[in-house]
Amino acid sequence: QVQLVQSGAEVKKPGASVNVSCKASGYTFTGYYMHWVRQAPGQGLEWMGWINPNSGATSYAQNFQDRVIMTRDTSISTAYMELSRLRSDDTAVYFCTKVLEYSSSHGAFDIWGQGTVVTVSS
Amino acid sequence: SFEVTQSPSVSVSPGQTANITCSGDRLGDKYASWYQEKPGQSPVLVIYQDTKRPSGIPERFSGANSGNTATLTISGTQSMDEAEYYCQAWDSSSVVFGGGTKLTVL
Repeated sequence: QVQLVQSGAEVKKPGASVNVSCKASGYTFTGYYMHWVRQAPGQGLEWMGWINPNSGATSYAQNFQDRVIMTRDTSISTAYMELSRLRSDDTAVYFCTKVLEYSSSHGAFDIWGQGTVVTVSS
Repeated sequence: SFEVTQSPSVSVSPGQTANITCSGDRLGDKYASWYQEKPGQSPVLVIYQDTKRPSGIPERFSGANSGNTATLTISGTQSMDEAEYYCQAWDSSSVVFGGGTKLTVL
């Protein structure tokens, strides 16, 4: 079945970087854009950006423009999200999610990873 | 920048109809999607392109979008529908989520 499996929980100190992975299975990885969304404790969903797994092209939300890098490795159907210069308010659950429509950056998100908890604390 | 607004909470009795709204300037000109999120779980897509239901989503979930308001309707609400619901739309090249509505089934 179609699924996204993310890497495990991370604890980081302020100023450090975190790299979260998202392994796709059950569908053609390069055919569907991957987005990243985060959710701080008790808060709503916040969009971070997307990557086109086919070309590697990216687009980032303005809030994360200078701190996030999204990459992919097509040989293992895995997307990555690296967030740098971490702050305490980056403590959140980070989700990868794929777009429903084939080869489209826009649209709804039909499959979500299980989430990765990132805790930033000194 | 484009924003969408949701009421923080909605309460409904079992078997009744729940309406959850999402408001934004000319939201009806865009496609709206809705997600259900239960505690400790990942969001689940329940409505996309305003009115479409993904495979496996019960028929009691329906959607509409016109003017400045998108609406998620749950007919014959069940206790299992108690969850947080988020609307989502695209503004040019950015994704926008509503703040979420907590649906309580009393």
